[in-house]
Amino acid sequence: DTAVSQTPKYLVTQMGNDKSIKCEQNLGHDTMYWYKQDSKKFLKIMFSYNNKELIINETVPNRFSPKSPDKAHLNLHINSLELGDSAVYFCASSQVLRTAGAFFGQGTRLTVV
Amino acid sequence: QKEVEQNSGPLSVPEGAIASLNCTYSDRVSQSFFWYRQYSGKSPELIMSIYSNGDKEDGRFTAQLNKASQYVSLLIRDSQPSDSATYLCAVNAHSGNTPLVFGKGTRLSVIA
Repeated sequence: DTAVSQTPKYLVTQMGNDKSIKCEQNLGHDTMYWYKQDSKKFLKIMFSYNNKELIINETVPNRFSPKSPDKAHLNLHINSLELGDSAVYFCASSQVLRTAGAFFGQGTRLTVV
Repeated sequence: QKEVEQNSGPLSVPEGAIASLNCTYSDRVSQSFFWYRQYSGKSPELIMSIYSNGDKEDGRFTAQLNKASQYVSLLIRDSQPSDSATYLCAVNAHSGNTPLVFGKGTRLSVIA
């Protein structure tokens, strides 16, 4: 009965590889997000998706691309991985309400070597 | 640029004391305010939300909001060692589908 689940939990890969992280939510929320948490624990928004439409795209490299096959899923594809991409990536979801907080998945710790 | 500022800490309090965590934000049109707790190696967990000026209490937690001063705080009464975590302040500017903007978090350590 996990609300927001993402896989894998850990991902170790070499520079230059392409990888994907999957996210699914069973809360019936309208909006999903990808956040990046760096080594200093700062959570920064990367993407938001509302009803399968990208609504905000922060200034992240175009090597990162979100893909949403339906309202319950938002996957993150990363091409040509770099050392600086090492971080924890969190998927989150929320209702489209002023009062809505976001609920987070367990995170994917990506290590690029 | 929308910013949310928090003292990074660590804030150390003895067990049973009141822990006070503070947050300021720059965007005056901010509407919704949230406190998240994040244990080391875990994901952020929503613990409090507040939308109107004043206090909101939930168990040992009290959130306080002052929109005129652009200030939001979290009080934890009867602090327990299990409260030791990083507390993240988050602000939602306009509507629910605007991503939350997070502060860098305050690390709280409750000493037994």
